Amino acid sequence: GESVGLHLPTLSVQEGDNSIINCAYSNSASDYFIWYKQESGKGPQFIIDIRSNMDKRQGQRVTVLLNKTVKHLSLQIAATQPGDSAVYFCAENIRTVYRDDKIIFGKGTRLHILP
Amino acid sequence: DAGVIQSPRHEVTEMGQEVTLRCKPISGHDYLFWYRQTMMRGLELLIYFNNNVPIDDSGMPEDRFSAKMPNASFSTLKIQPSEPRDSAVYFCASGQGWTEAFFGQGTRLTVV
Repeated sequence: GESVGLHLPTLSVQEGDNSIINCAYSNSASDYFIWYKQESGKGPQFIIDIRSNMDKRQGQRVTVLLNKTVKHLSLQIAATQPGDSAVYFCAENIRTVYRDDKIIFGKGTRLHILP
Repeated sequence: DAGVIQSPRHEVTEMGQEVTLRCKPISGHDYLFWYRQTMMRGLELLIYFNNNVPIDDSGMPEDRFSAKMPNASFSTLKIQPSEPRDSAVYFCASGQGWTEAFFGQGTRLTVV
């Protein structure tokens, strides 16, 4: 399945450089955040998550930073490789007043790796 | 495990026809989610099940859409009658918790 497509913001990065993908969220009640990667023809794939009581979490070549003051989330990919070309989505878990959780996905950013 | 399995991968149908999308979740996962992805609206949660029970269907666009999960290893999403604006990629995902979702490959639906 193709991802959102033509109207996505695109980030072009040289192979080997670091990539930073940003995401703004609007709901201060969001308590959990997830980054997904979607390659062409595939479903979204979990990359890394972070809870609202943290401001940084590291994985293998990826780091997520959370700034609750300005409601901003970023995904840093170190030493970008051709296989990192994909659309990246941030998702937030919003806890409503009825204590129902809702996962809301952002529109996505396309990462394009230059050779 | 083969992951979440969806069928068909592609479906082209005429307006007014019934469409049934199928999903086999990962064994042992208690949660099953149906999502729709379009250019305009991005990825939207339609409905999710916990232990085969529908929990939240507030994302289902209208009564033409229905979903069932008769057992832990199978779910369907049905559109009847289908309309061109239903054209999208439909994803099924499963997880052991609410915040965990392993996605299938998706079904690309085209209604002409």
